[in-house]
Amino acid sequence: AQSVAQPEDQVNVAEGNPLTVKCTYSVSGNPYLFWYVQYPNRGLQFLLKYITGDNLVKGSYGFEAEFNKSQTSFHLKKPSALVSDSALYFCAVRDKARYRIGAGNMLTFGGGTRLMVKP
Amino acid sequence: EAQVTQNPRYLITVTGKKLTVTCSQNMNHEYMSWYRQDPGLGLRQIYYSMNVEVTDKGDVPEGYKVSRKEKRNFPLILESPSPNQTSLYFCASSSAGQNTEAFFGQGTRLTVV
Repeated sequence: AQSVAQPEDQVNVAEGNPLTVKCTYSVSGNPYLFWYVQYPNRGLQFLLKYITGDNLVKGSYGFEAEFNKSQTSFHLKKPSALVSDSALYFCAVRDKARYRIGAGNMLTFGGGTRLMVKP
Repeated sequence: EAQVTQNPRYLITVTGKKLTVTCSQNMNHEYMSWYRQDPGLGLRQIYYSMNVEVTDKGDVPEGYKVSRKEKRNFPLILESPSPNQTSLYFCASSSAGQNTEAFFGQGTRLTVV
């Protein structure tokens, strides 16, 4: 089975400071990893994904994430936080092995982390 | 504009009254899914469809039905809603392929009293 853990319910950061939102995963095979952001009263918006190759992935709005296979982590980062980054962030995983046996494109999501950036 | 459209956005209903939440995508995607979002639990998949007339259960299918008669539409049906189905529901679609990201609708907030 595949699973995702986001250990922090909320992360508080001052504007201009770097931010990290943590994510760890568990899959039986190799993972595809995704980050999504949800603003109030909106659907989820795709930020970035790790497929293969370079462990540092760059995405939308200045976000990046680092894939660490040994620690099974995919933490979301941004060098300088903005107040407008305040939102709910979800990490998601898709197991390549499970995809091959016909489980479709099922994504498993973490519980979400609320990011609060204060002026 | 590429989008996933859900209707209605908000719905209050009574226990046992059948309802349907519609979902439509204009990106010619093969895959479509329904998720429910509950505090602290993230998004959990209810049902998914890999193509027309091909559907399968996700992690929490009990109490829900789906159909995929056309590629663009994937309605979610609650035959006899119960209060524990009060939740925020999202429809998503993606193209075929292992590494494709999903596109989400705006969400439907359902309250069952």
